[in-house]
Amino acid sequence: RKEVEQDPGPFNVPEGATVAFNCTYSNSASQSFFWYRQDCRKEPKLLMSVYSSGNEDGRFTAQLNRASQYISLLIRDSKLSDSATYLCVVTLPLSDYKLSFGAGTTVTVRA
Amino acid sequence: GAVVSQHPSWVICKSGTSVKIECRSLDFQATTMFWYRQFPKQSLMLMATSNEGSKATYEQGVEKDKFLINHASLTLSTLTVTSAHPEDSSFYICSARVFGAANTEAFFGQGTRLTVV
Repeated sequence: RKEVEQDPGPFNVPEGATVAFNCTYSNSASQSFFWYRQDCRKEPKLLMSVYSSGNEDGRFTAQLNRASQYISLLIRDSKLSDSATYLCVVTLPLSDYKLSFGAGTTVTVRA
Repeated sequence: GAVVSQHPSWVICKSGTSVKIECRSLDFQATTMFWYRQFPKQSLMLMATSNEGSKATYEQGVEKDKFLINHASLTLSTLTVTSAHPEDSSFYICSARVFGAANTEAFFGQGTRLTVV
């Protein structure tokens, strides 16, 4: 079983729509959680960290459910510029802060 | 924020040759850097952890003699793909984190797209 699994999508949504997707992780002792954004042929860039209580950054809301071992990302009022691949990233326990990446969820926002 | 610079951004080489990729932390000291490889539509796979002043730690299945890592200073780590073959064609990315804090951001280099012909 992969350490981090994501629905690859693609999620094809119109501008202004809300889109949400999840990521599951296999190791219950995982410590830290992040959402990264990766544009085509570019390096990943941090979108937001995910905190236990859930957190919001503008149009983006992240949630963590430790009991079910998943995190979620919700994008409100989608913009064309939100089109990207969103990577779920988990820090493995006792691993010198190694990051484990999901394969990514592709979101395409159309005009 | 911290910046990690990776060079070259792309390279095409012939089978059998070696390619060196550099990863520099520009405004902070990185005692630890990570090297990843990403194939199309797949996740980033950790290849090795590069530790300043000591040998790199390789992940299972990664040949240390093929992917040579040198981390001679606090700001520079290099990955050399030796005797490259077409199956080594991939997107290689380095990253660095501020060591000692689990919840801090990882900073990535721009990535190197390697094509072996």
